[in-house]
Amino acid sequence: AQKITQTQPGMFVQEKEAVTLDCTYDTSDPSYGLFWYKQPSSGEMIFLIYQGSYDQQNATEGRYSLNFQKARKSANLVISASQLGDSAMYFCAITQGGKLIFGQGTELSVKP
Amino acid sequence: DAGVIQSPRHEVTEMGQEVTLRCKPISGHDYLFWYRQTMMRGLELLIYFNNNVPIDDSGMPEDRFSAKMPNASFSTLKIQPSEPRDSAVYFCASSFWGGLGDTQYFGPGTRLTVL
Repeated sequence: AQKITQTQPGMFVQEKEAVTLDCTYDTSDPSYGLFWYKQPSSGEMIFLIYQGSYDQQNATEGRYSLNFQKARKSANLVISASQLGDSAMYFCAITQGGKLIFGQGTELSVKP
Repeated sequence: DAGVIQSPRHEVTEMGQEVTLRCKPISGHDYLFWYRQTMMRGLELLIYFNNNVPIDDSGMPEDRFSAKMPNASFSTLKIQPSEPRDSAVYFCASSFWGGLGDTQYFGPGTRLTVL
């Protein structure tokens, strides 16, 4: 079965700096997808970025990019030029037969 | 376009009462998912549907929980009878085709408190 591990329960970053949120995964499937979601204090789950296991390049979406290292089974989220509005919980997830398996999340706090 | 719609947004009930949560997926999406989020267990999938048919209900905690999808634009998650340990945020999500790279879009969630 697939598993996601997010080892950083909480992180701080200074506004305008870059931050990396770690995500490692375990799967025996050759094809899989990795997602990152943001959950602000208001509670909704917001899709950020997707990486497919066969994608040759790292995914990017605006200020978000994925540092995908397949051999190490890691898919770290990089947020560039942090903003106060980036303060939230961030969840990494992996696909399993149409379902999403989520990690425990990392709480990011952006300091002014 | 409207996103996934859930109602109610908040529900407070007493132990033993029946609770019904409702979800309207994004139009055109064939897959619908029900998740539960708690501090202890994180986000866990309860059940999902494809074209209104339940595909995997292995995450449904026990017989007190049931879910239906009578048509493509409506689903319910029912808890009967409710217990305090059912207190959680319940999310509904939908996706277009359910494939590997298909994104699931979440509703705002229903915060359930069982006293």
